[in-house]
Amino acid sequence: AQSVSQHNHHVILSEAASLELGCNYSYGGTVNLFWYVQYPGQHLQLLLKYFSGDPLVKGIKGFEAEFIKSKFSFNLRKPSVQWSDTAEYFCAVTPYNTDKLIFGTGTRLQVFP
Amino acid sequence: DTGVSQDPRHKITKRGQNVTFRCDPISEHNRLYWYRQTLGQGPEFLTYFQNEAQLEKSRLLSDRFSAERPKGSFSTLEIQRTEQGDSAMYLCASSLGDSNNEKLFFGSGTQLSVL
Repeated sequence: AQSVSQHNHHVILSEAASLELGCNYSYGGTVNLFWYVQYPGQHLQLLLKYFSGDPLVKGIKGFEAEFIKSKFSFNLRKPSVQWSDTAEYFCAVTPYNTDKLIFGTGTRLQVFP
Repeated sequence: DTGVSQDPRHKITKRGQNVTFRCDPISEHNRLYWYRQTLGQGPEFLTYFQNEAQLEKSRLLSDRFSAERPKGSFSTLEIQRTEQGDSAMYLCASSLGDSNNEKLFFGSGTQLSVL
C-alpha cells in the first residue's frame, strides 16, 4: 500500500544536539514532499517543502531536509536543536497525480535544556 | 485572528447522535480540506473542495459522513449516527492556488468524543 513511514516515534535530545528525523515514502512516481510541525497547544504549520530543483531544502528555524530519490527518503535535519523545538513533526507526501496530502504517523521530539 | 477557524473546539456526544462541525478558511483561499487525526497517528485525508466543488473523497469517508462548502466559503462536516470509532480530532485546512504543492494552513481542530 502507498504510505509514508516515520521510523522514529519519540526522540529525546539535549539542547545543542544534532537532529535527524527519518521519512520514507512508497510512491513510485513524482511526489511533492513536506514537513509539518505542531508545537504544543498550536496548530499544524509548514516547516519546509520540496517539489523540484535542489534536493536540499531549507525551512524555517534552521531546519533543512534532503530529498534522496533513490532511497525514497526526505529526512529532516537540524545541526543544533533548542528547547523551543520540542514539538511533533510530520512528514507528508502529495503524489503528483493527486491533490491530497498524505501524512506519516509523526515523531515526537523532546528537547531538554 | 485571520487564520483557519473551526467550531466547536470540543464536542461530546452520545452514540447514535448526529454532529456538525464548521470550518471557516482563510479568506479567498480556494481550497479547503478535512482531515481526521487519532492519538498517535498522523492526519488522515477525508475530503477536499476547490471552491464549492467537492473534488475528492477518501474511502475512509463512509455514507454517514457528508461535507459541504456552499458558495465556496465556509464548510461543514456532518457525521450521522455517530459511533465510538468516530472519536477523533477533525482538522480543517485551506490553501490558495491550483497546484498540489501549496502550503496548507490548518485550524486548531474539533475534538469529538463519542460516548
